[in-house]
Amino acid sequence: GQNIDQPTEMTATEGAIVQINCTYQTSGFNGLFWYQQHAGEAPTFLSYNVLDGLEEKGRFSSFLSRSKGYSYLLLKELQMKDSASYLCAPRTGAGSYQLTFGKGTKLSVIP
Amino acid sequence: GAVVSQHPSWVICKSGTSVKIECRSLDFQATTMFWYRQFPKQSLMLMATSNEGSKATYEQGVEKDKFLINHASLTLSTLTVTSAHPEDSSFYICSASSGRPPYEQFFGPGTRLTVL
Repeated sequence: GQNIDQPTEMTATEGAIVQINCTYQTSGFNGLFWYQQHAGEAPTFLSYNVLDGLEEKGRFSSFLSRSKGYSYLLLKELQMKDSASYLCAPRTGAGSYQLTFGKGTKLSVIP
Repeated sequence: GAVVSQHPSWVICKSGTSVKIECRSLDFQATTMFWYRQFPKQSLMLMATSNEGSKATYEQGVEKDKFLINHASLTLSTLTVTSAHPEDSSFYICSASSGRPPYEQFFGPGTRLTVL
């Protein structure tokens, strides 16, 4: 089966850095995605990791350790608009496009 | 690029009626589309995988006779909720895979269904 664990909620201050962790146990692994979802809206793609290490993309970075079943999303220079849910989604199975989503971490950015 | 539209964005219907939701990839061809359901404060739950020209693959516990999926072309998939009941009220979201690495899914804006 699939098991994805993320903190339910986090709060951080505008301008700060926040790290959102995700641990996963899946039958098969073929990369991990992070999505951002604002309340009442559909998710938008943030990042993708398939190899171990850090992928940097502007203010957002994502890290993956396949041996540990662990990933994190790092958000720098937080802005109020970053208040949203962040979804960790590993992909399982070679050739499969299916994603399994965690429950998401609701991030609140405060002034 | 990679825009997915969904229609309608919200719908209210009476119990027992059927509702059709359309999902379109506007600027790319999507051989595979996905349908998700999301209840308040819950995760996205995959309902089914829709492949163009073939039958959809439903996840365990999803009734295929209740949630009819048709993927008639490379840019259109439809989900019909038949004989809707209040417990079917939810946020339905479709996504489409680009079919190219890294095969990320692009999501439609979602359809909020309320069954009275």
